[in-house]
Amino acid sequence: NAGVTQTPKFQVLKTGQSMTLQCAQDMNHEYMSWYRQDPGMGLRLIHYSVGAGITDQGEVPNGYNVSRSTTEDFPLRLLSAAPSQTSVYFCASSSRAGTDYSYEQYFGPGTRLTVT
Amino acid sequence: GIQVEQSPPDLILQEGANSTLRCNFSDSVNNLQWFHQNPWGQLINLFYIPSGTKQNGRLSATTVATERYSLLYISSSQTTDSGVYFCAVESGGSNYKLTFGKGTLLTVNP
Repeated sequence: NAGVTQTPKFQVLKTGQSMTLQCAQDMNHEYMSWYRQDPGMGLRLIHYSVGAGITDQGEVPNGYNVSRSTTEDFPLRLLSAAPSQTSVYFCASSSRAGTDYSYEQYFGPGTRLTVT
Repeated sequence: GIQVEQSPPDLILQEGANSTLRCNFSDSVNNLQWFHQNPWGQLINLFYIPSGTKQNGRLSATTVATERYSLLYISSSQTTDSGVYFCAVESGGSNYKLTFGKGTLLTVNP
């Protein structure tokens, strides 16, 4: 299994540009989420999905859109990039089925985004 | 929302030393996880431990849910243990939302 994959690894955008961060998992997990990590802070939840066709907002959703058309993919869209969105973005997946261990979150390698 | 506080914020050890990291949370939880972020940024799940005690090699964790805290023990530390340790919790009413603490930065010197 590849686990959770993210592309690109690095990205530089100009203010006002839009882009999509890709996330995919091959573990058949129903739950997927996006976090951002800023210096000196923990991870903050942006959006999450509990299954295909179902998404909801996290702690810091403004400026981001998501959709979940398949179990495997959960892209994050930046509509009009701003310098405040400079951050490292992590995608994660987990499952609620089966044993306790399936609650564990698996993270992708992250995307480092700089907005100038 | 639920508050998560981790202590200490920074910790420097000599190789071979033991350490205890603490996570306090402000509400009852149905999900608590410890993560290690290595110096290259990769996040690895260490424990899913909403209550009780678990051990995995040199690491162990204990959560006392009634007193709203969790402890992560690292014994015989190695330089590869360096990185940031995060505690993350999901409160009963938050429906899949994990809230992270700010982490403990651990540096293990040879």
